[in-house]
Amino acid sequence: AQSVAQPEDQVNVAEGNPLTVKCTYSVSGNPYLFWYVQYPNRGLQFLLKYITGDNLVKGSYGFEAEFNKSQTSFHLKKPSALVSDSALYFCAVRTENYGGATNKLIFGTGTLLAVQP
Amino acid sequence: DAGVIQSPRHEVTEMGQEVTLRCKPISGHDYLFWYRQTMMRGLELLIYFNNNVPIDDSGMPEDRFSAKMPNASFSTLKIQPSEPRDSAVYFCASSLVVWGSYSGNTIYFGEGSWLTVV
Repeated sequence: AQSVAQPEDQVNVAEGNPLTVKCTYSVSGNPYLFWYVQYPNRGLQFLLKYITGDNLVKGSYGFEAEFNKSQTSFHLKKPSALVSDSALYFCAVRTENYGGATNKLIFGTGTLLAVQP
Repeated sequence: DAGVIQSPRHEVTEMGQEVTLRCKPISGHDYLFWYRQTMMRGLELLIYFNNNVPIDDSGMPEDRFSAKMPNASFSTLKIQPSEPRDSAVYFCASSLVVWGSYSGNTIYFGEGSWLTVV
């Protein structure tokens, strides 16, 4: 069964410092990996995804993520955090299934990022 | 595109009443998903449709919940009768699946319907 783990409930970082939000996954087959962000009282916004190709994926708002197949990880990173980055971040995985019978996006439990000024 | 549109954005209802949540997916998308978010259980997939056909409803909590998709541009999630434990944010999402393609496969979410059952 496919699953996603976000080992940290909360990540605290000072503004201007680099940030990392961790994600590991378990799937059979090729993974499609996603990061979403949720601001208070809002829906989930798509940040970036890995489907195929370069392991380093760049997304919205200066975020990037590195796909590491050997470690089954897809950590979210940003070189310099902003206070406005404070939000709830979700990692998600979807598996490639040519049969189309299952096409679920499975989410991690979320990591609250708090950026202190 | 206007994105995924959900209504109502907020609803407060009394226990036992019927609740209907509505969703308009992004035009051209062939998958539609209903998720529920609570503090205790996080994001749960309730049901999803492909080309208007329900594919997997294993996440629907119980018979009080039902979902329909009469056409490609409209879906409803109904709770009858509602209970306080149904209080949550209900998200609708849609995507266009293109296997092996980078351009597709992203699931886009609506702003959610915030349901409170008292």
